[in-house]
Amino acid sequence: AQSVTQPDIHITVSEGASLELRCNYSYGATPYLFWYVQSPGQGLQLLLKYFSGDTLVQGIKGFEAEFKRSQSSFNLRKPSVHWSDAAEYFCAVGAAGLGFGNEKLTFGTGTRLTIIP
Amino acid sequence: KAGVTQTPRYLIKTRGQQVTLSCSPISGHRSVSWYQQTPGQGLQFLFEYFSETQRNKGNFPGRFSGRQFSNSRSEMNVSTLELGDSALYLCASSEQGSNTGELFFGEGSRLTVL
Repeated sequence: AQSVTQPDIHITVSEGASLELRCNYSYGATPYLFWYVQSPGQGLQLLLKYFSGDTLVQGIKGFEAEFKRSQSSFNLRKPSVHWSDAAEYFCAVGAAGLGFGNEKLTFGTGTRLTIIP
Repeated sequence: KAGVTQTPRYLIKTRGQQVTLSCSPISGHRSVSWYQQTPGQGLQFLFEYFSETQRNKGNFPGRFSGRQFSNSRSEMNVSTLELGDSALYLCASSEQGSNTGELFFGEGSRLTVL
């Protein structure tokens, strides 16, 4: 069974500082990997996704993530955070090769990001 | 294009009652998935429907059920409510066949069970 671990429950960074959120996954084959963001009182929004190819993927709002198969990781990064980035971030893994997409995603427990001025 | 719409946004029920939540997916999306979000358990997959058929189901008791209509709108029902059912219930829609892997989420229905 697939699983996702986000080891950091809560991270606090200063505005303008760099950010890295960790994500480790467990899956027996090639995974589909995603990062979603949830602002307070909102649903989740896709930031970026990895299916195959270039292991460094770019997403919206200046985020990027790097897939490292040897480490089973898919960490999210941003070079300079803005106050509006304060939210909860979820890593998710889907099963590749099912032929009908990834409607069943397995999510990590999330990392809450606080930005201090 | 309108986003995913969930109703009601907030509701309060008492133990033993039942509740029905509604989800209208993005126009053209035929897949609808439901997730339960709680502070302790995070996002847990409930079930996924495609073209009125349940295609996947998570590990929830039979009190949790759902259905999808011919217009792709979906409902989920929870019977005999328990305190532990208090959660944010999120609906997500996606296109079948596009293989984009992107789920579009609604804002959720927040259920409180007293």
